[in-house]
Amino acid sequence: DAGVIQSPRHEVTEMGQEVTLRCKPISGHNSLFWYRQTMMRGLELLIYFNNNVPIDDSGMPEDRFSAKMPNASFSTLKIQPSEPRDSAVYFCASSPTGGSGEQYFGPGTRLTVT
Amino acid sequence: GENVEQHPSTLSVQEGDSAVIKCTYSDSASNYFPWYKQELGKRPQLIIDIRSNVGEKKDQRIAVTLNKTAKHFSLHITETQPEDSAVYFCAASSGGGADGLTFGKGTHLIIQP
Repeated sequence: DAGVIQSPRHEVTEMGQEVTLRCKPISGHNSLFWYRQTMMRGLELLIYFNNNVPIDDSGMPEDRFSAKMPNASFSTLKIQPSEPRDSAVYFCASSPTGGSGEQYFGPGTRLTVT
Repeated sequence: GENVEQHPSTLSVQEGDSAVIKCTYSDSASNYFPWYKQELGKRPQLIIDIRSNVGEKKDQRIAVTLNKTAKHFSLHITETQPEDSAVYFCAASSGGGADGLTFGKGTHLIIQP
């Protein structure tokens, strides 16, 4: 089992540029979550999907953020345009079918916006 | 929405002693309470969880207790070892964990040799 896969692992971009983060959940998991981690705000839920359908996006900070899950094995989180305050580690997590609760985190993408 | 408070923010204990981290939550609908361990530069990893129909759960040196009435839950680590040094996060969720997690701010546990 490869676990949750995220790419890229590190991203450095300039303010105003578009950033796309990618996630492949564990095969067979039907729930996918995007979290953001900063020193100031800790770990925050941004959005989550069940069976590829967005359920709660109330954590998405602004309209500059959008997320999609076109199929069961792929999700993207896009920031357009990016700002320095978006600098953080972005984690994707997936959870098994049936809502057992255990969420397995990917290695994260460290985003730096200069 | 849910709010999770975690204390202390830093905890230093002697190797071999016990460590206790406490969390409170605000939403009475929350029914799933996991604990994650995060080492520097790594991903959060689930170490133990408890559901609202259980008061206590133990896994080797780690135990978690839940008091639904008081809306608080705690992580207990006995016989601490150097590899226990990390940041520990508590979290809460309604829907049995199928919903997203609300995390506490974390506790940096330092094991002194």
